[in-house]
Amino acid sequence: NAGVTQTPKFRVLKTGQSMTLLCAQDMNHEYMYWYRQDPGMGLRLIHYSVGEGTTAKGEVPDGYNVSRLKKQNFLLGLESAAPSQTSVYFCASSDSTFQRVANGYTFGSGTRLTVV
Amino acid sequence: SQQGEEDPQALSIQEGENATMNCSYKTSINNLQWYRQNSGRGLVHLILIRSNEREKHSGRLRVTLDTSKKSSSLLITASRAADTASYFCATDEDFGNEKLTFGTGTRLTIIP
Repeated sequence: NAGVTQTPKFRVLKTGQSMTLLCAQDMNHEYMYWYRQDPGMGLRLIHYSVGEGTTAKGEVPDGYNVSRLKKQNFLLGLESAAPSQTSVYFCASSDSTFQRVANGYTFGSGTRLTVV
Repeated sequence: SQQGEEDPQALSIQEGENATMNCSYKTSINNLQWYRQNSGRGLVHLILIRSNEREKHSGRLRVTLDTSKKSSSLLITASRAADTASYFCATDEDFGNEKLTFGTGTRLTIIP
């Protein structure tokens, strides 16, 4: 049981390039989330999804787009990367609201992105 | 802005001692959760306390919640070197709001 898998684990982009981060979960969870983690800032929510085909903005959505075409996958896209998007990106998933309250989130191991 | 603010930002103690971390938040919550993050890894769920609970235990972990002060504390007893990690509180602000808001974390170092 892999849980939440993020690819790639590391990436260096040049300013203006685009890329997609993939998050895959095998727990049949309804809810999926993308966070970014920066020193001294904790985790900040970028976008999230409460089910297949749905997405919603979080705290810091600008410069990012997401898609949830399949229940098990949640993609995070950077259309035109900027140095301010240098960060560690974490994907998380959770079950129904009741289960989420009981068990919390399951996190992936992160993607370290550097934009130069 | 961050919902949760942990205090202290960093804590170093000797192995075997108890470690206490605090979390303050701003809005009414449904529950509060604590997570651990080892260096370079994702976060791992430790314990959850509901808004109608005041204290909860899990192994060497003890969590308290004071909703009147909008604060929580995490106590790790008999610390071990393996407890070295960052610890985050996360609040579930509104049942059905479908997302957690994380604090800035406490970096705990256990000195062998």
